[in-house]
Amino acid sequence: NAGVTQTPKFRILKIGQSMTLQCAQDMNHNYMYWYRQDPGMGLKLIYYSVGAGITDKGEVPNGYNVSRSTTEDFPLRLELAAPSQTSVYFCASRLGPGGSPLHFGNGTRLTVT
Amino acid sequence: AQRVTQPEKLLSVFKGAPVELKCNYSYSGSPELFWYVQYSRQRLQLLLRHISRESIKGFTADLNKGETSFHLKKPFAQEEDSAMYYCALGDSNYQLIWGAGTKLIIKP
Repeated sequence: NAGVTQTPKFRILKIGQSMTLQCAQDMNHNYMYWYRQDPGMGLKLIYYSVGAGITDKGEVPNGYNVSRSTTEDFPLRLELAAPSQTSVYFCASRLGPGGSPLHFGNGTRLTVT
Repeated sequence: AQRVTQPEKLLSVFKGAPVELKCNYSYSGSPELFWYVQYSRQRLQLLLRHISRESIKGFTADLNKGETSFHLKKPFAQEEDSAMYYCALGDSNYQLIWGAGTKLIIKP
């Protein structure tokens, strides 16, 4: 049982490049989330999904896109990378709403220069 | 509005001293509250949730509905407790509402 797996761990992008951050979970969780964590700051929700085929915007969705074609996978796409997207990205999942805890991936450290 | 407030960005205590990390919330329904911990360069992990009423790594947290608080406490701090601590509120919807976090530093 791997939990939540994120790839890559690190990435450096040039301004204007695109990339996809991968996230997969093997816990059959319906709910999946993408957060970014800027230095010294808390978590900001980018996008979330409550099941395959259903996604919705969080607090800071601009510059990102997501898809959820399967229960297991929830990739995050960055189009036209900008320095403001330099951050650590965490994917998380949980079974349901309310009291169900989040399980986090190890994070992807992205630098845009 | 739903909100989680952690008033201290940084808390520094000596090893062996008691620790209290504050968390206040604003929520109209019955909240589900969590404490998450993030050790240096690691993933966030669940430390406590109020429905479990358990003690993890010596930490406890009690939900006080009257004061709308869920403070995290430990009677004797250890150096390995140094980390970022986040309080979060789970509502009946899909999201968790996060506090800004408190960085705990345990001095030897």
